[in-house]
Amino acid sequence: QVTLKESGPGILQPSQTLSLTCTFSGFSLSTYGMGVGWIRQPSGKGLEWLANIWWDDDKYYNPSLKNRLTISKDTSNNQAFLKITNVDTADTATYYCARNSLTTEGIRWFAYWGQGTLVTVSS
Amino acid sequence: DIQMTQSPSSMSASLGDRVTITCQASQDIGNNLIWFQQKPGKSPRRMIYYATNLANGVPSRFSGSRSGSDYSLTIISLESEDMADYHCLQYKQYPLTFGSGTKLEIK
Repeated sequence: QVTLKESGPGILQPSQTLSLTCTFSGFSLSTYGMGVGWIRQPSGKGLEWLANIWWDDDKYYNPSLKNRLTISKDTSNNQAFLKITNVDTADTATYYCARNSLTTEGIRWFAYWGQGTLVTVSS
Repeated sequence: DIQMTQSPSSMSASLGDRVTITCQASQDIGNNLIWFQQKPGKSPRRMIYYATNLANGVPSRFSGSRSGSDYSLTIISLESEDMADYHCLQYKQYPLTFGSGTKLEIK
């Protein structure tokens, strides 16, 4: 059974660095074809893809966040991480992690999601 | 970046109605599109992938189709449990981009 769960600081101040953790089970990021992505959603608004990391440490970022993102993984502890530097109120959102997997028919995108973690940026 | 223009932004329909939601892609994405359903306070759920394929466990009243650059999600007979937000996602190329979402309410 695949599960994912996000954790974060809850609240932080503008200009700080947001550190998010995705703790998962039912798969390993050291297994060929596995990947984790991060997506966020401001309250009452749409979804925004942020970054993906793959089993081979290949990484992809949304350029709209202008080099503020860093995605990483800890395969020993079944975790993926996302850091966002220099946050401001526009980064207030629910942050989700989701699993991607490479299959014989292509990439199976975002088939499993965590419950999300709400992050509020406020002074 | 590929822009996904989703419409309508919100709609209200009666039980049993046929409902269609559309995403228009700004560039060719082939059939590389997913439809997600998101109920209030919940995470998104993958409903349709590769534009027309039903994900596991999704009721057969849901279907996906394509006409040129327009991609549609159709519910052939609306049920109360279908009240949710619906989002499209293109995965043809990075950055992955979502439509702006459709809020579906039951009259």
